[in-house]
Amino acid sequence: GENVEQHPSTLSVQEGDSAVIKCTYSDSASNYFPWYKQELGKRPQLIIDIRSNVGEKKDQRIAVTLNKTAKHFSLHITETQPEDSAVYFCAGGGTSYGKLTFGQGTILTVHP
Amino acid sequence: GAGVSQSPSNKVTEKGKDVELRCDPISGHTALYWYRQSLGQGLEFLIYFQGNSAPDKSGLPSDRFSAERTGGSVSTLTIQRTQQEDSAVYLCASSLDSRADYEQYFGPGTRLTVT
Repeated sequence: GENVEQHPSTLSVQEGDSAVIKCTYSDSASNYFPWYKQELGKRPQLIIDIRSNVGEKKDQRIAVTLNKTAKHFSLHITETQPEDSAVYFCAGGGTSYGKLTFGQGTILTVHP
Repeated sequence: GAGVSQSPSNKVTEKGKDVELRCDPISGHTALYWYRQSLGQGLEFLIYFQGNSAPDKSGLPSDRFSAERTGGSVSTLTIQRTQQEDSAVYLCASSLDSRADYEQYFGPGTRLTVT
């Protein structure tokens, strides 16, 4: 089955800096890669996703890139703000139905 | 509209007891997923429902875990003879359809503590 590895496990940045979180996946048939943000004590919420037919997707300050050949994808957050502080999870799936395999999560802390 | 809801929000139980966790998906969502989130870990897939059927139960950790869904809506996850390693947050998610690229909406979770 699919295996998703996520790095780093923790990331600390200053407000205004950029943050990058990387994930690798094992199943070359996976074709859907969402990113979820989970604030402390809250439920995970989808922030951006990418399908395997595109290499990059951007939504305001966040962007995701996908390299199918290398089987890795990354989340980029620019101009970070304290409210970006949360746990971010990548996931891979789409081989059959909506089953997602999640990475271990990255705790992002943005210092004012 | 109302999002995914779960109950109870917290459950403390003694080792060996059975527990039932409930999930109310968004109305009209045909696909429903259960995940488990242990402290500091990612989300671990448990089981998936399309309507009332569970085509994939591969993530259930043991035969002490079972789940059902009735009326294409409410789902119950049952853990029998709970063990301490069952302590985790159990999250439910629903999506409009089982297609992989349909957004999954998560509930707030049930925090289970087995003492």
